[in-house]
Amino acid sequence: ETGVTQSPTHLIKTRGQQVTLRCSSQSGHNTVSWYQQALGQGPQFIFQYYREEENGRGNFPPRFSGLQFPNYSSELNVNALELDDSALYLCASSLLGQEKETQYFGPGTRLLVL
Amino acid sequence: LAKTTQPISMDSYEGQEVNITCSHNNIATNDYITWYQQFPSQGPRFIIQGYKTKVTNEVASLFIPADRKSSTLSLPRVSLSDTAVYYCLVGAKEDNDMRFGAGTRLTVKP
Repeated sequence: ETGVTQSPTHLIKTRGQQVTLRCSSQSGHNTVSWYQQALGQGPQFIFQYYREEENGRGNFPPRFSGLQFPNYSSELNVNALELDDSALYLCASSLLGQEKETQYFGPGTRLLVL
Repeated sequence: LAKTTQPISMDSYEGQEVNITCSHNNIATNDYITWYQQFPSQGPRFIIQGYKTKVTNEVASLFIPADRKSSTLSLPRVSLSDTAVYYCLVGAKEDNDMRFGAGTRLTVKP
């Protein structure tokens, strides 16, 4: 158990809809990162939030957006869902400022877009 | 970020020692090496991290040669529950994204 929780565990949406996924960070962590993992592939970095601001972004379009709250919990929002957005969405929390931060992952939210 | 190369899959038997080697020829001076384990439908789990020589914890050992162009994750006496995908990642302290490759799918047989 990493102490990182995500909700919901599973979600089904239709193309064009919007979705919000939630993540609670491990206690004491100040950074949250989001990843998308398609079936059979490794996780792909979406973006990271530190002190409620985006602190780096991967190769994902603007319809992927996020928020980090003062308690370090976070949301991932995806607008105008496409079929290819079907994946396991992972959040990971870490403590920025360590010699080398280690990210601790939650169990993920499996999103299916029909 | 340095690119990593790992075997796509490996098979082993219960009780054996498993060594998974990762190549990272372009590793930079300030890069660390980190290994994660992932079970189906779960998030990756941190196993071990190192910079040089050897690191050991209660789960695994990480061997890094002097040139740091490769690293080997060693799992002692594997069990069926060690069947998972293992990822090798290389990155510097200031890197805020972790680049996962396809990983190595380890299957432990009885």
